[in-house]
Amino acid sequence: KQEVTQIPAALSVPEGENLVLNCSFTDSAIYNLQWFRQDPGKGLTSLLLIQSSQREQTSGRLNASLDKSSGRSTLYIAASQPGDSATYLCAVNDHGSSNTGKLIFGQGTTLQVKP
Amino acid sequence: KAGVTQTPRYLIKTRGQQVTLSCSPISGHRSVSWYQQTPGQGLQFLFEYFSETQRNKGNFPGRFSGRQFSNSRSEMNVSTLELGDSALYLCASSFLGGGTDTQYFGPGTRLTVL
Repeated sequence: KQEVTQIPAALSVPEGENLVLNCSFTDSAIYNLQWFRQDPGKGLTSLLLIQSSQREQTSGRLNASLDKSSGRSTLYIAASQPGDSATYLCAVNDHGSSNTGKLIFGQGTTLQVKP
Repeated sequence: KAGVTQTPRYLIKTRGQQVTLSCSPISGHRSVSWYQQTPGQGLQFLFEYFSETQRNKGNFPGRFSGRQFSNSRSEMNVSTLELGDSALYLCASSFLGGGTDTQYFGPGTRLTVL
């Protein structure tokens, strides 16, 4: 059974810092891994999608990497800003889902960027 | 292009009642998935519909059901509500719902059961 873990659970950094959020999964047989952002009481915003055949994806100040063999992904945020404060969730679509829309989520990392 | 919409945004019900939540996917998307989010359990998959057929189901009791219409809009129903059903219910849509697709989420419906 696939399990997704995110470390740390919470992170507080001063504005301008570069930071890394970690995500690990137990079964490497995945179709893709997706990073989301959730603001308090709101829905999820998709940040990056990495296919199983890819090693990384970049969007603006965000860079996500994927190492399937070790069951790990990292989300790198460059030059953090107070507006980046939110909960970041990673989710995998794995072969146990039979290539459907089912995602398995980690518990998230809550990020606070202080001005 | 309009995003995923969910109605209503907030609901208050009492134990034993039933509730129906609605989700309209992004135009052209045929897969709709539903998730329950609680502080203790996080985000958990409920079910997915594709072309009006339930294609995958999570580990929830039969009180949770859903359906999809020919225009891809989806509804989920919870019967005989329990206090533990209080949660944020999120739906997500994607073009095919497979491993190559990005999932786009709606703003959610906040259900409170008293």
